[in-house]
Amino acid sequence: AQKVTQAQTEISVVEKEDVTLDCVYETRDTTYYLFWYKQPPSGELVFLIRRNSFDEQNEISGRYSWNFQKSTSSFNFTITASQVVDSAVYFCALSEALNFNKFYFGSGTKLNVKP
Amino acid sequence: GAVVSQHPSRVICKSGTSVKIECRSLDFQATTMFWYRQFPKQSLMLMATSNEGSKATYEQGVEKDKFLINHASLTLSTLTVTSAHPEDSSFYICSASEPQGAQYEQYFGPGTRLTVT
Repeated sequence: AQKVTQAQTEISVVEKEDVTLDCVYETRDTTYYLFWYKQPPSGELVFLIRRNSFDEQNEISGRYSWNFQKSTSSFNFTITASQVVDSAVYFCALSEALNFNKFYFGSGTKLNVKP
Repeated sequence: GAVVSQHPSRVICKSGTSVKIECRSLDFQATTMFWYRQFPKQSLMLMATSNEGSKATYEQGVEKDKFLINHASLTLSTLTVTSAHPEDSSFYICSASEPQGAQYEQYFGPGTRLTVT
């Protein structure tokens, strides 16, 4: 069974619009980590955030914010006032207590921000 | 933060030849490294876990004889694609794990784009 689902394959927005990327995960562990990574066209993964399962506080970092809701097993990512440089593929990932080093990646959401 | 490098960044080879990709942790010792494969417009799929001084652990469906992994030192793991075929063309990404107290931080390399002609 897929552990991380990113239902949005591709999203296109116009610059300055807000956009939310969805991530739904599945795990039986009570202890786990959730991640978001950005992959620009160059291919290198850029770490954005890590959240452990015991910390449900939402987080804001500049134009980025994350909404973690254990009740719905979701860890959504919002970009406020999007910019062209935000165009990339964004991956959500999960690692579990059994092996924190093993990452399960979602299928990714390609974000196109048009000027 | 810690840095992981990969070499080469791009490689083109002919069908039937073997290609070696290196993954190095530049400023830390990594007892465990991971190899991922990413097909165009798809997600990253874990291929194998590489432990220093021992045999790699391969994920289901990954041919261990085709994708040879060697983790000879705490800073270097290599992936050799043997007898490469066009279907092996992909983006290969490694990551290295650094202990941070009771937890581990994982750092990803920049990836290697393999094209088999």
